[in-house]
Amino acid sequence: QQQVRQSPQSLTVWEGGTTVLTCSYEDSTFNYFPWYQQFPGEGPALLISILSVSDKKEDGRFTTFFNKREKKLSLHIIDSQPGDSATYFCAASGDSNYQLIWGSGTKLIIKP
Amino acid sequence: GPKVLQIPSHQIIDMGQMVTLNCDPVSNHLYFYWYKQILGQQMEFLVNFYNGKVMEKSKLFKDQFSVERPDGSYFTLKIQPTALEDSAVYFCASSLDRGYYEQYFGPGTRLTVL
Repeated sequence: QQQVRQSPQSLTVWEGGTTVLTCSYEDSTFNYFPWYQQFPGEGPALLISILSVSDKKEDGRFTTFFNKREKKLSLHIIDSQPGDSATYFCAASGDSNYQLIWGSGTKLIIKP
Repeated sequence: GPKVLQIPSHQIIDMGQMVTLNCDPVSNHLYFYWYKQILGQQMEFLVNFYNGKVMEKSKLFKDQFSVERPDGSYFTLKIQPTALEDSAVYFCASSLDRGYYEQYFGPGTRLTVL
């Protein structure tokens, strides 16, 4: 079943804190997991991505973790900044299809 | 970075009319996509297009929908006739290749069907 579940739906974090977003999936053929960041009125932009052969990928303040056995992934943002306030989507795809299957998104607010 | 352009940014039409949404993808990209997003919520895949053909489409890609990219010009999404439930923001994306290649998204076209 092609579905990606994302939580929480919304999240408020104080500036400087650590943000954690999570996703789970069901299709074991998924092997590519991007995280997209979307600001109001704009299209999504790729933030970071991970392949199923890895369990961690880091890019500055952003780290994504992948657990193949549990079919879960997470996005951690350290030293969260007000400029990180946006909606974050996880997504997944596999070799058998071309389309990205998207989570429902997390609206993140970073309070100064 | 690479830019995907979409024209128009906002379109208001009456139910039953035809509408064409235009996308100018990244110049050397070969794969093109349309997504639908309602109220800033979940992105839903509509269709993927490569080498002049629809490669994959979802159940949201109704018979009233069609895509084309004549002679390397705009990649278009046509809806004919439109229905009230077609009101949404439509995003175009393009990628160099399929699979692990980044999809670059345009700013979206907000379609309002009255």
